[in-house]
Amino acid sequence: DSGVTQTPKHLITATGQRVTLRCSPRSGDLSVYWYQQSLDQGLQFLIQYYNGEERAKGNILERFSAQQFPDLHSELNLSSLELGDSALYFCASSTQKAGDPTDTQYFGPGTRLTVL
Amino acid sequence: GNSVTQMEGPVTLSEEAFLTINCTYTATGYPSLFWYVQYPGEGLQLLLKATKADDKGSNKGFEATYRKETTSFHLEKGSVQVSDSAVYFCAPPEAGGTSYGKLTFGQGTILTVHP
Repeated sequence: DSGVTQTPKHLITATGQRVTLRCSPRSGDLSVYWYQQSLDQGLQFLIQYYNGEERAKGNILERFSAQQFPDLHSELNLSSLELGDSALYFCASSTQKAGDPTDTQYFGPGTRLTVL
Repeated sequence: GNSVTQMEGPVTLSEEAFLTINCTYTATGYPSLFWYVQYPGEGLQLLLKATKADDKGSNKGFEATYRKETTSFHLEKGSVQVSDSAVYFCAPPEAGGTSYGKLTFGQGTILTVHP
């Protein structure tokens, strides 16, 4: 158990809908990362938050957005869903001390999103 | 940004065989290097890491040495078990710039170990 929790575990929805994925980081971790794992794209970085602020952005679609709340949990919002958005979405957390090259990311179990 | 080339799978071995999964990378600076493992139906788990050149990471019988001169971080295990069947990912994090900390994953290597 990594200490990172994600809900829900599975989500089935229809095209055009909007969903919210939730992540709670390990106790004490200030940084949260979101990754998408799909068969055709592999594992891709989406976005990172650090202590409530966006720190880095990857290949995240404009239809997707995220935020990190004062209690450090994070939500990933996916809207106008398309069939191709079906994937496993992982959240990871780390302490991310500035300038620390040994920082380790710990991953949650993931949310499997199926868009029908 | 970083890029990673991992040995293509799938890799199929008999129990107690020797395992090598190659990983080479291009990266800005000299980041830490990580191997993650994903067991069937589960999330990613950190397997081992190395934080500087010539460092050797090890865990559960797996080892990998950070070779700066060849930009490689090959994963090895002397005697695999059926329970090692999983997907293995090599991942260097970005060491600077606006993507600091972001992990770049290789395509993953599927390992199947038969009894």
